[in-house]
Amino acid sequence: QKEVEQDPGPLSVPEGAIVSLNCTYSNSAFQYFMWYRQYSRKGPELLMYTYSSGNKEDGRFTAQVDKSSKYISLFIRDSQPSDSATYLCAMSRSSNTGKLIFGQGTTLQVKP
Amino acid sequence: KAGVTQTPRYLIKTRGQQVTLSCSPISGHRSVSWYQQTPGQGLQFLFEYFSETQRNKGNFPGRFSGRQFSNSRSEMNVSTLELGDSALYLCASSFGAVQETQYFGPGTRLLVL
Repeated sequence: QKEVEQDPGPLSVPEGAIVSLNCTYSNSAFQYFMWYRQYSRKGPELLMYTYSSGNKEDGRFTAQVDKSSKYISLFIRDSQPSDSATYLCAMSRSSNTGKLIFGQGTTLQVKP
Repeated sequence: KAGVTQTPRYLIKTRGQQVTLSCSPISGHRSVSWYQQTPGQGLQFLFEYFSETQRNKGNFPGRFSGRQFSNSRSEMNVSTLELGDSALYLCASSFGAVQETQYFGPGTRLLVL
């Protein structure tokens, strides 16, 4: 079983929909949680970075972490066709390391 | 400011050969991490370098190695290539080793025939 599980999708939604992306994990030592977006033929780019449990909002994006359930989520409001990409969750035990454990990634398509 | 640069962008090799991939971090970044991305396994951590020292290593065989130079540029080498080494190899750099400042390059796509 992988340390981080993420449904690969694909997930298809109409423009303007609220998108919910999720990951579960098994290692309770994870303290730092990230969401990356990866467009085709590009490297991942960091969208959200959170520490421990709680919510963080940035524009149309909201990240939630529930450490008690070992569950993290990314919500995208008013989704746009430009949001069509693969979304990867990532986690680490420490903030001071480049070693991240990634989920498989969820492919999202937002249809106009 | 220029982003993370990886060369070459595409590479075709045959089984048994070796390959060297290069990564130039963002100016001022001293930490470089390498990842392998495949459809089956996703993104997997290979190793991390900071100030020319390997700080972390993933669960890959010894055929995978890396190094970092004094100007923070990094190379990774794969010897005795296998078909399963076909993947996108991604490099990420950060200021210090702070994850919030970590930026990925576009990757090198390696095909082993």
